Amino acid sequence: ILNVEQSPQSLHVQEGDSTNFTCSFPSSNFYALHWYRWETAKSPEALFVMTLNGDEKKKGRISATLNTKEGYSYLYIKGSQPEDSATYLCAFPLNDYKLSFGAGTTVTVRA
Amino acid sequence: EAQVTQNPRYLITVTGKKLTVTCSQNMNHEYMSWYRQDPGLGLRQIYYSMNVEVTDKGDVPEGYKVSRKEKRNFPLILESPSPNQTSLYFCASSGGWGNQPQHFGDGTRLSIL
Repeated sequence: ILNVEQSPQSLHVQEGDSTNFTCSFPSSNFYALHWYRWETAKSPEALFVMTLNGDEKKKGRISATLNTKEGYSYLYIKGSQPEDSATYLCAFPLNDYKLSFGAGTTVTVRA
Repeated sequence: EAQVTQNPRYLITVTGKKLTVTCSQNMNHEYMSWYRQDPGLGLRQIYYSMNVEVTDKGDVPEGYKVSRKEKRNFPLILESPSPNQTSLYFCASSGGWGNQPQHFGDGTRLSIL
């Protein structure tokens, strides 16, 4: 059973459009929430590590928000470009030093 | 260059033939971990290590062994590989367990026939 759930599983977006998707995690015993971008034939790369409720992080056209009380984080892509096509993973550190990953949201940007 | 290096990148082998996938990091990270990735299941943690000589099971440890004799190295050992261990494997390291990002190796694709 995944502690972390991501939705939707996949989405298609037209180049230039903006999009967002969700990561849900247990709201109790929160420590941090990670976001990674995983491009085809490459390895996952860290985007953000978020630790505070209400936190907002930004990297270029990608940003993320965090709500620890209700247990969700949104990742936003503004003005999607073909190079944004990737699978976006979130990960939640568990109390016993494990790290639980969601199954990912696969974004395909159509030119 | 800061990196996590895994070897081999690809391996096709047969059931029962012991194999080791090496992992080395040059960032002096304390936390290291192994994951496997299977379609529809996301990244699942196999084993992790908080520091030298400290290792523990992740969610799917059956059929795997690890060791952490030096801080930089964290090999994954399959003593008697079986076809259900055919997967894409990633090693990762981080400066801390939860509030530091994972740095991933390039992955190892194992096929067990």
